[in-house]
Amino acid sequence: TQLLEQSPQFLSIQEGENLTVYCNSSSVFSSLQWYRQEPGEGPVLLVTVVTGGEVKKLKRLTFQFGDARKDSSLHITAAQTGDTGLYLCAGPYSSASKIIFGSGTRLSIRP
Amino acid sequence: DVKVTQSSRYLVKRTGEKVFLECVQDMDHENMFWYRQDPGLGLRLIYFSYDVKMKEKGDIPEGYSVSREKKERFSLILESASTNQTSMYLCASKQEGYSVSTDTQYFGPGTRLTVL
Repeated sequence: TQLLEQSPQFLSIQEGENLTVYCNSSSVFSSLQWYRQEPGEGPVLLVTVVTGGEVKKLKRLTFQFGDARKDSSLHITAAQTGDTGLYLCAGPYSSASKIIFGSGTRLSIRP
Repeated sequence: DVKVTQSSRYLVKRTGEKVFLECVQDMDHENMFWYRQDPGLGLRLIYFSYDVKMKEKGDIPEGYSVSREKKERFSLILESASTNQTSMYLCASKQEGYSVSTDTQYFGPGTRLTVL
């Protein structure tokens, strides 16, 4: 059973448009992370959200943690071709050392 | 900067062969992980190690074993490779701890394994 569900699975939009991707769970997480993975590389951490309702900004990327700490969203403003990649959410489970990943949203930005 | 390296970027093996995937990290991290990544399934944990010679099964350990003889090195072994083990294999490391700063996993570039 996938504890973290991401939607949409695929998204292709024009450069300059805005988009939001989602990460949902029926379980409460102490924190959630967002990673980006570019082709041929491993995932790289973008941000960790810890407090329910928290909003973090990374340039044009805005991350929000749900009030109940069961979901998170990533909003990209004025997408650029460099935003293309696989976006993964992840959270700790069963023990502090183990992290579960969502299945990811593959984002393609067309020039 | 943390660096996690994997021995091969691409590997092609035949069914039944024994396969070794090596991972080395240079940040003295206690925890190391092996994942496989398949389209639509995300990253699935195969094994992780929280100390030298210590290991714990992940979600999909069948058909795999691991070895951690030194803190910086974590090896994944496919005893008898099968075609359903064709996948991208990712190694990661992180510090031991229970804070946000120790939750970050640092990944290697991955090994794309094809079993024919």
